[in-house]
Amino acid sequence: QKEVEQNSGPLSVPEGAIASLNCTYSDRGSQSFFWYRQYSGKSPELIMFIYSNGDKEDGRFTAQLNKASQYVSLLIRDSQPSDSATYLCAVTRTGGGNKLTFGTGTQLKVEL
Amino acid sequence: GAVVSQHPSRVICKSGTSVKIECRSLDFQATTMFWYRQFPKQSLMLMATSNEGSKATYEQGVEKDKFLINHASLTLSTLTVTSAHPEDSSFYICSAVGGERNTIYFGEGSWLTVV
Repeated sequence: QKEVEQNSGPLSVPEGAIASLNCTYSDRGSQSFFWYRQYSGKSPELIMFIYSNGDKEDGRFTAQLNKASQYVSLLIRDSQPSDSATYLCAVTRTGGGNKLTFGTGTQLKVEL
Repeated sequence: GAVVSQHPSRVICKSGTSVKIECRSLDFQATTMFWYRQFPKQSLMLMATSNEGSKATYEQGVEKDKFLINHASLTLSTLTVTSAHPEDSSFYICSAVGGERNTIYFGEGSWLTVV
């Protein structure tokens, strides 16, 4: 079992719709959870981080964390074509410093 | 916001030569930096943790003598790929910890092509 799992996609949504990206993790010692966006050929760009159970909203983005289910998700409201990218879920472990373990990413395509 | 800069962004080198990639935190001090490698259509794989003033900690399977890491100051870490081979061709990305709540920020990445 991979430490961090994501559906590779592609996930296609129409412009203006809500895109829902999911991530599960296997280590219950996981402490912090990050969502990064990566355009092709570019470095990852931090979108959000979440530490506590529940929802965290930032503009069009909402991260949701459920530690009991070992599940973290990212919702993108009013999806735009510029949101088309690969979204990487990453976690750090308690006692692991700031080492990030990445999932393989989900490719999102927002269609006109 | 915090900025991490990598240089060069692209480099082509001949097989057998060495190449150095720099990672700088521009507006904060980073006691810890990380080096990742990403092959096409794959996720980022952590290579090593770079600690200012001490030896780097390498992940399992990463050759420390091939990938030399030097964290000379609180704002600079370098990765040197020694005796490069075509299979070392990849996207190398550094990250640094700093800013708000010790957030992890990534550099722009460096494309290495070994011919």
